[in-house]
Amino acid sequence: EAGVTQFPSHSVIEKGQTVTLRCDPISGHDNLYWYRRVMGKEIKFLLHFVKESKQDESGMPNNRFLAERTGGTYSTLKVQPAELEDSGVYFCASSPGWRGAPSSYEQYFGPGTRLTVT
Amino acid sequence: AQSVTQLDSQVPVFEEAPVELRCNYSSSVSVYLFWYVQYPNQGLQLLLKYLSGSTLVKGINGFEAEFNKSQTSFHLRKPSVHISDTAEYFCALRTQGAQKLVFGQGTRLTINP
Repeated sequence: EAGVTQFPSHSVIEKGQTVTLRCDPISGHDNLYWYRRVMGKEIKFLLHFVKESKQDESGMPNNRFLAERTGGTYSTLKVQPAELEDSGVYFCASSPGWRGAPSSYEQYFGPGTRLTVT
Repeated sequence: AQSVTQLDSQVPVFEEAPVELRCNYSSSVSVYLFWYVQYPNQGLQLLLKYLSGSTLVKGINGFEAEFNKSQTSFHLRKPSVHISDTAEYFCALRTQGAQKLVFGQGTRLTINP
């Protein structure tokens, strides 16, 4: 079974440009999450999809960030326009839908996309 | 609001020595607790989790952790480390009924030969 994949692995862009990050969750996982780790800080939650619907976007920093999940499959996170403080590692995770078992709580993480804004 | 504090940003140890990585949490509601590991150039991998029941939980690669509710701690231990344990370790919590994980700052474990 393929794990969570993210593309690209690295991206270097200039301030003011647009970048789109992509996440492909594990097949069949209804839940998809985005997290971000800014240099030297903790990993922070950005948002959570259940299928194609945004369940919780309380962690999105501002309206320069737009997340979508087409047809409940892959997800994209667009940053437009990028600012210097957006640099960091963006992680995607997925988990199965609720099936009444706490084991469904485990989130499976992708390798992350390292974004550098210069 | 919930928070997780990992008391050490870096922990250097010698190979085959025991190690303890400390994690304290704060929450007014019941929590599930997790330890994740990130090896160089890889994603986060779940080491172990505490959901309920026995407070001593065993994970992969010989790691274990003990949930201490009175001290609000979930320290990670291994009796004898190997070079391959060199990685960054993250403690995280999730409150019952919520989906998002709240992470600590991470502890970088360095194993010296």
